[in-house]
Amino acid sequence: NAGVTQTPKFRILKIGQSMTLQCTQDMNHNYMYWYRQDPGMGLKLIYYSVGAGITDKGEVPNGYNVSRSTTEDFPLRLELAAPSQTSVYFCASSSKDRSNTEAFFGQGTRLTVV
Amino acid sequence: QKEVEQDPGPLSVPEGAIVSLNCTYSNSAFQYFMWYRQYSRKGPELLMYTYSSGNKEDGRFTAQVDKSSKYISLFIRDSQPSDSATYLCAMKERDSSYKLIFGSGTRLLVRP
Repeated sequence: NAGVTQTPKFRILKIGQSMTLQCTQDMNHNYMYWYRQDPGMGLKLIYYSVGAGITDKGEVPNGYNVSRSTTEDFPLRLELAAPSQTSVYFCASSSKDRSNTEAFFGQGTRLTVV
Repeated sequence: QKEVEQDPGPLSVPEGAIVSLNCTYSNSAFQYFMWYRQYSRKGPELLMYTYSSGNKEDGRFTAQVDKSSKYISLFIRDSQPSDSATYLCAMKERDSSYKLIFGSGTRLLVRP
């Protein structure tokens, strides 16, 4: 059982470049999330989705876009990378059948923008 | 003021010690309280969750919620070096809510 899989694990981007962080889950969860984690700052919600075709902004959505065409996949797009987007990005999923109390996280993507 | 406050540590204890990790919060609407453990360079994983006030025990771990003081705790008995990790508290308001609010995490080091 793979759970939540994120790719790539590491990436260095130049300012202004674009990239897509991939996330897929095999638990048939309704909810999926993208968080960023900065040192000493906890996890901040970027975007979330309650099901295929439905997405909404979290606390820090600026500079990012998402799509949810299937239950399994929830990619995060950075269009014009900026140094402020240097962070560790986590994708997570949860099931409303368990009150969304348990979020399953991927291993993270370490992104550096130079 | 942050909604959830957590001392970043690091907290260093000898093996076998009782560890107390804490969070305070300002939003009285929070009803679900969770503790996640995050090993270095890994994603967080759920340790325990508690609904409303009271205690919950799972092996060496006990979660406590005091809603009147807006204070939650995680106790680890007989701490082991394998408990060395960052512990994040998280909270949410309602059963149907998607939105988890995380503390910044406390780094724990258990010395052999």
